[in-house]
Amino acid sequence: GQNIDQPTEMTATEGAIVQINCTYQTSGFNGLFWYQQHAGEAPTFLSYNVLDGLEEKGRFSSFLSRSKGYSYLLLKELQMKDSASYLCAVRDSGDYKLSFGAGTTVTVRA
Amino acid sequence: DGGITQSPKYLFRKEGQNVTLSCEQNLNHDAMYWYRQDPGQGLRLIYYSQIVNDFQKGDIAEGYSVSREKKESFPLTVTSAQKNPTAFYLCASRSGGGTYEQYFGPGTRLTVT
Repeated sequence: GQNIDQPTEMTATEGAIVQINCTYQTSGFNGLFWYQQHAGEAPTFLSYNVLDGLEEKGRFSSFLSRSKGYSYLLLKELQMKDSASYLCAVRDSGDYKLSFGAGTTVTVRA
Repeated sequence: DGGITQSPKYLFRKEGQNVTLSCEQNLNHDAMYWYRQDPGQGLRLIYYSQIVNDFQKGDIAEGYSVSREKKESFPLTVTSAQKNPTAFYLCASRSGGGTYEQYFGPGTRLTVT
């Protein structure tokens, strides 16, 4: 099985940087995904890491350390529209199933 | 446009009734998934299908049933045996290449009273 932990809530100011941590303990690992979900809407794909290191995509970056079972999502130059829930998900090595953390609700304040 | 559709957006049912949630995709994906989302909890996998005419139980399959007769469609039936059916239900399909990411439909919010 998978055990995935991430903080419940974070608050930051517009223009600032926020780092959302995700730790996992898994029976198998074949990649880690970050999704963004606005209230009442579908999750949308943000990033994917399968090898150790940093993946950068515009204002968003994601880091993975497989030996530590640790990932983070970095949101830079925060905008009000970044207020959302951010979901960490680990993919099983067998049949491509995803296991999700409970999500981190980020609130951006002016 | 390619994507996943779920209908309706909001659904209300009386306790004791079965209800079927639709999920259709035109992305030509083989694999499809049903999740349930409750406040303060992550998405939990109900059922998944890797190919037409085949499906497997996820982590919380009790009280639910599915069918996969066509590649494009993966309907979910919430039966009267499901003890706490009120939730937000999300359907997803998975790409067959690249990052193999899952794409989600807009969701159906089911309320049973």
